[in-house]
Amino acid sequence: EIVLTQSPGTLSLSPGERATLSCRASQSVSSSYLAWYQQKPGQAPRLLIYGASSRATGIPDRFSGSGSGTDFTLTISRLEPEDFAVYYCQQYGSSPRVTFGQGTRLEIK
Amino acid sequence: QVQLVQSGAEVKKPGASVKVSCKASGYTFTSYGISWVRQAPGQGLEWMGWISAYNGNTNYAQKLQGRVTMTTDTSTSTAYMELRSLRSDDTAVYYCARDPGRYSGSSGDYWGQGTLVTVSS
Repeated sequence: EIVLTQSPGTLSLSPGERATLSCRASQSVSSSYLAWYQQKPGQAPRLLIYGASSRATGIPDRFSGSGSGTDFTLTISRLEPEDFAVYYCQQYGSSPRVTFGQGTRLEIK
Repeated sequence: QVQLVQSGAEVKKPGASVKVSCKASGYTFTSYGISWVRQAPGQGLEWMGWISAYNGNTNYAQKLQGRVTMTTDTSTSTAYMELRSLRSDDTAVYYCARDPGRYSGSSGDYWGQGTLVTVSS
């Protein structure tokens, strides 16, 4: 099973700043089958990025994903107040065994 | 618009079973799969498994093999997840998600609202 490790655990930034979230896999993720989700308290997760770098429908272009192999990054170019949430990465390249990272909490500084 | 509507909260005793439903609308049900993900209180996301709404093929998380069964009813565009031999650590919010994966689980692009299952004696 591929283990995903997200860093940092908590990221404290101010609106308008740039956020860089990391997701490292214990083995190479085939075909860049890596997704990113945003989750706010009491809500279901929301798909942001799939295939490592493709934005999901309706996702603003301030969100971007990059990376391949074992190292992936989610970048939020300029933080808006509504972006403060928990972010999870997910790999589905080693299906049938899909796994999630433990999450990064993005909080207002 | 795509919608997934899940059944309501459940309270179960240890050893019992629970069956959560997920009714889909706004798209061709058999063109996608359904993934199930759960989240224990204050914890992260845990993938439980995937079912193809096209042919009923399933993939389950290894730790749940033998306790979980996922099914679909194409006549009502509804997916079901049954978990048996419930334990206290099965207490969680259970989510269904539309999954474009053709042969196994992938990313979930639309999610249900979640169903809280509480296991308590």
